Amino acid sequence: DTVLTQSPALAVSPGERVTISCRASESVSTLMHWYQQKPGQQPTLLIYLASNLESGVPARFSGSGSGTDFTLTIDPVEADDTATYYCQQSWNDPLTFGSGTKLEIK
Amino acid sequence: EVKLLESGGGLVQPGGSMRLSCAASGFTFTDFYMNWIRQPAGKAPEWLGFIRNKANGYTTEYNPSVKGRFTISRDNTQNMLYLQMNTLRAEDTATYYCVVTTVDWFAYWGQGTLVTVSS
Repeated sequence: DTVLTQSPALAVSPGERVTISCRASESVSTLMHWYQQKPGQQPTLLIYLASNLESGVPARFSGSGSGTDFTLTIDPVEADDTATYYCQQSWNDPLTFGSGTKLEIK
Repeated sequence: EVKLLESGGGLVQPGGSMRLSCAASGFTFTDFYMNWIRQPAGKAPEWLGFIRNKANGYTTEYNPSVKGRFTISRDNTQNMLYLQMNTLRAEDTATYYCVVTTVDWFAYWGQGTLVTVSS
């Protein structure tokens, strides 16, 4: 299986820029997607195909990367961005998710 | 508006079976791949499998972790998705989500239904 490695947690202040990384154990081309999950809710799609913003998602969110290294950037961070962020690849079977990065807003 | 409503979760004993249902609305059901994804409390989601759309013959693919125990099916006349789970184990305890794939990503998620496997 393709393992996606994410940093477990980050803490930033409102207005700052935050980057969340995701490293794949093998190439996934640009078939990487990002989801936000707020406590008690289902995940929601933020970014698809590494860098495409899902409709309705604020332009503060952006994604980049290809191959094995990917980044989700939030700039500027707002208090409402408190959540866990997951990357997910769809290049290799089975489809896999990263372990998640929990973002705390100070 | 896309709506996905899962049902059928609850408490089941180890070794038992359970069938989850998902009622879909707000989109042309037969046009889309439908997935089941589960998430144990405090852990990452795990993709279980999908059933393809009409254009691709409604065939299925599964994660090897559940292949042979779990079966995904759909009733296209009722816009329903199902997950039949057999020989359940404690490690199957999770919230189970019904999810729509658009192109190649998980675009729409239901609210989830909790399955607890315990004696």
